[in-house]
Amino acid sequence: QKEVEQNSGPLSVPEGAIASLNCTYSDRGSQSFFWYRQYSGKSPELIMFIYSNGDKEDGRFTAQLNKASQYVSLLIRDSQPSDSATYLCAVNMRGGTSYGKLTFGQGTILTVHP
Amino acid sequence: NAGVTQTPKFQVLKTGQSMTLQCAQDMNHNSMYWYRQDPGMGLRLIYYSASEGTTDKGEVPNGYNVSRLNKREFSLRLESAAPSQTSVYFCASSLHQNTEAFFGQGTRLTVV
Repeated sequence: QKEVEQNSGPLSVPEGAIASLNCTYSDRGSQSFFWYRQYSGKSPELIMFIYSNGDKEDGRFTAQLNKASQYVSLLIRDSQPSDSATYLCAVNMRGGTSYGKLTFGQGTILTVHP
Repeated sequence: NAGVTQTPKFQVLKTGQSMTLQCAQDMNHNSMYWYRQDPGMGLRLIYYSASEGTTDKGEVPNGYNVSRLNKREFSLRLESAAPSQTSVYFCASSLHQNTEAFFGQGTRLTVV
């Protein structure tokens, strides 16, 4: 099992729709979770971080965390063509030899079409 | 405020050559990371440094060495480059191990 796994893409949504991106992780002791956006040929940029169970909202973005299910998601409301990018889930591992590792999923490619 | 700076941005090496990728951050961060990114593979951790004076292996350390020269600088060395090391390399830093990381602009390395 991969340490951080994202739902397979690519994901295509129409402009104005809600895009839902999902991520599961294997280390039950993980405590910090991040979503990054990466445009083609660019470096990853942080969108949101979440540490506690529940929802965290920032503008059109909502991160959701469920530690019991080891699941974190990102919702993008009113999707725009400029949101088209690869979205990366990252988890700060805590268990055993993984302590301190910031581990990424493989990424989900999102395309928002007009 | 430059953030995380990587040099060089592009590099072509011949098989067997060595080189060092440089990374420096000016945010007074404690933790630093080296990743490689290959198509469809996401970001894979090569080495990381939780704090000045410490380094630990990540997911794919073979063929690489690192040095945490001081709090600002974290270098990645390829002793004998192989075509399998053709990739985009990213350096990142974070204030602490469990806080958000910020990335440099990347180094595109080709080994022929």
